[in-house]
Amino acid sequence: QKEVEQNSGPLSVPEGAIASLNCTYSDRGSQSFFWYRQYSGKSPELIMFIYSNGDKEDGRFTAQLNKASQYVSLLIRDSQPSDSATYLCAVDLEGGNKLVFGAGTILRVKS
Amino acid sequence: DGGITQSPKYLFRKEGQNVTLSCEQNLNHDAMYWYRQDPGQGLRLIYYSQIVNDFQKGDIAEGYSVSREKKESFPLTVTSAQKNPTAFYLCASSIGQGARLGYGYTFGSGTRLTVV
Repeated sequence: QKEVEQNSGPLSVPEGAIASLNCTYSDRGSQSFFWYRQYSGKSPELIMFIYSNGDKEDGRFTAQLNKASQYVSLLIRDSQPSDSATYLCAVDLEGGNKLVFGAGTILRVKS
Repeated sequence: DGGITQSPKYLFRKEGQNVTLSCEQNLNHDAMYWYRQDPGQGLRLIYYSQIVNDFQKGDIAEGYSVSREKKESFPLTVTSAQKNPTAFYLCASSIGQGARLGYGYTFGSGTRLTVV
């Protein structure tokens, strides 16, 4: 079993819709969870961080964490074509000494 | 402006040749990391370093070597023992245990290595 798993997609949504991206992880000791956005040929950029169960909102982005079920999700409201990218889920391991990344979900927002 | 600088942006390696990728940061971060990214496989950890003069192997260290003689610098050497080195290489840095504290990583712009 991979440590961090994501559906590779592509996930296609129309402009203005809600995009829902999901991630599951295997280590129950993980405490910090990150979402990165990566445009083609570019490096990842941090968009959300969450560590408490429940929801965390930042603008059009909402991260949701359920530690009992070991999943974390990212919702993007009012999706825009500029949101088209690969979204990477990352989870801390070894007491926070390193992050493990999922393979990423490709999101395509159609105008 | 603080940040991480990776060079070169593109690198071509001949069979049997060692090449070194540069990574320099001026963020005063203690920890530095090297990841490799292949299409459809996300980021895989090669090596990481929490402090100067100390580093640990990641999940795919074979065929790679690193040094951490200065806080600001963490160069990666791709040796001839790495049989499939063509990939996108990303360097990152964070404060110590930044992942647990929620600071995440700051990434460089990457080096694309191709074997010719």
